[in-house]
Amino acid sequence: QKEVEQNSGPLSVPEGAIASLNCTYSDRGSQSFFWYRQYSGKSPELIMSIYSNGDKEDGRFTAQLNKASQYVSLLIRDSQPSDSATYLCAVAGGTSYDKVIFGPGTSLSVIP
Amino acid sequence: DTGVSQDPRHKITKRGQNVTFRCDPISEHNRLYWYRQTLGQGPEFLTYFQNEAQLEKSRLLSDRFSAERPKGSFSTLEIQRTEQGDSAMYLCASSFSPGLNYGYTFGSGTRLTVV
Repeated sequence: QKEVEQNSGPLSVPEGAIASLNCTYSDRGSQSFFWYRQYSGKSPELIMSIYSNGDKEDGRFTAQLNKASQYVSLLIRDSQPSDSATYLCAVAGGTSYDKVIFGPGTSLSVIP
Repeated sequence: DTGVSQDPRHKITKRGQNVTFRCDPISEHNRLYWYRQTLGQGPEFLTYFQNEAQLEKSRLLSDRFSAERPKGSFSTLEIQRTEQGDSAMYLCASSFSPGLNYGYTFGSGTRLTVV
């Protein structure tokens, strides 16, 4: 079982819609959870971090964490073509201790 | 502070040659991480330093790979006798311990192509 799993996509949504990205993780001791955005040919950029169960909102982005289900999600409201990128879910803590473990990423395409 | 810097941005080398990459972290960050990313995959952890001490190495890091961080400042990653399977983006990241609350700041990466 991979440590962090995501649907590879591609996920296509029309401009203005809500994009929903999902992630599951295997290490129940994980303590920190991140979403990174990666444009083609560029390095990952941290866009959200969450540490406790529930929702965390930042502008058009909402991260949701459910530790009991070992599930993390990212909602992007009012999706824009500029949101088209690969979104990487990442976790830290637990057996991975000090390092961040990344999922394979979900490719998002926002159609104008 | 200009963020995490990596050099070179691109490197093309012939199979069997040695290559060395450099990473300059954010100055106040004491942790430095190396990752490798291939097309369609997420970054894979290679190794990390706290100050000058190399605290963990992945099993992905074969004997042909070596990393150093002299004086706890910049770091180098060397690959000896490169193979075509080494072709990837090599990413450096830094953070401030305990740092997890801040996540990582990545550099622009070094794209290695082995021909």
